[in-house]
Amino acid sequence: GDSVTQMEGPVTLSEEAFLTINCTYTATGYPSLFWYVQYPGEGLQLLLKATKADDKGSNKGFEATYRKETTSFHLEKGSVQVSDSAVYFCALSDRNNNNDMRFGAGTRLTVKP
Amino acid sequence: EAGVAQSPRYKIIEKRQSVAFWCNPISGHATLYWYQQILGQGPKLLIQFQNNGVVDDSQLPKDRFSAERLKGVDSTLKIQPAKLEDSAVYLCASSLGGGRAKNIQYFGAGTRLSVL
Repeated sequence: GDSVTQMEGPVTLSEEAFLTINCTYTATGYPSLFWYVQYPGEGLQLLLKATKADDKGSNKGFEATYRKETTSFHLEKGSVQVSDSAVYFCALSDRNNNNDMRFGAGTRLTVKP
Repeated sequence: EAGVAQSPRYKIIEKRQSVAFWCNPISGHATLYWYQQILGQGPKLLIQFQNNGVVDDSQLPKDRFSAERLKGVDSTLKIQPAKLEDSAVYLCASSLGGGRAKNIQYFGAGTRLSVL
């Protein structure tokens, strides 16, 4: 079945460092791909999305490109801030599977001043 | 626009007791989802509704979990009786439903359940 594998954490960076969180997926169809962020004590918030190959999702300085050839959707940010500390989830949704969302295990990011 | 509302935020019960969670989705969203998020893991889908009908409940432990969305708007998830392994955050999400542009899911803040 469809699945998502993402980089294990925790990840600890200094402010203004470059961030990459790897995400790869397995799907039988042509899924949409998402990154969600979960701040402490809150629900998941959509960070960015891409619905087809070569699409680039971007928001708040974060970017991810839908790479069909490598089945990847890596999250990047050029300069992280303390306020980016959160848990990041990669996810896919496949309309061939009732649009069920499959999540990775999450990667905890801590940014230190 | 109001987001997905869930209550209660926290619940502590003893094993073998019953508990219910409530969710009110974003107005106009036809599709409603319940997820279970165990500490340190990603959310796992329990059940998906389209209006008041069940689309997918393949991962719902039906011997103890039940959910309903009688009028196609708000929904209730119940656990009876609870086990220790049910300790988790229960997330509700909703989406417009339909094609790719409409299947973005919006999440509530969740209910954190502790079973002692």
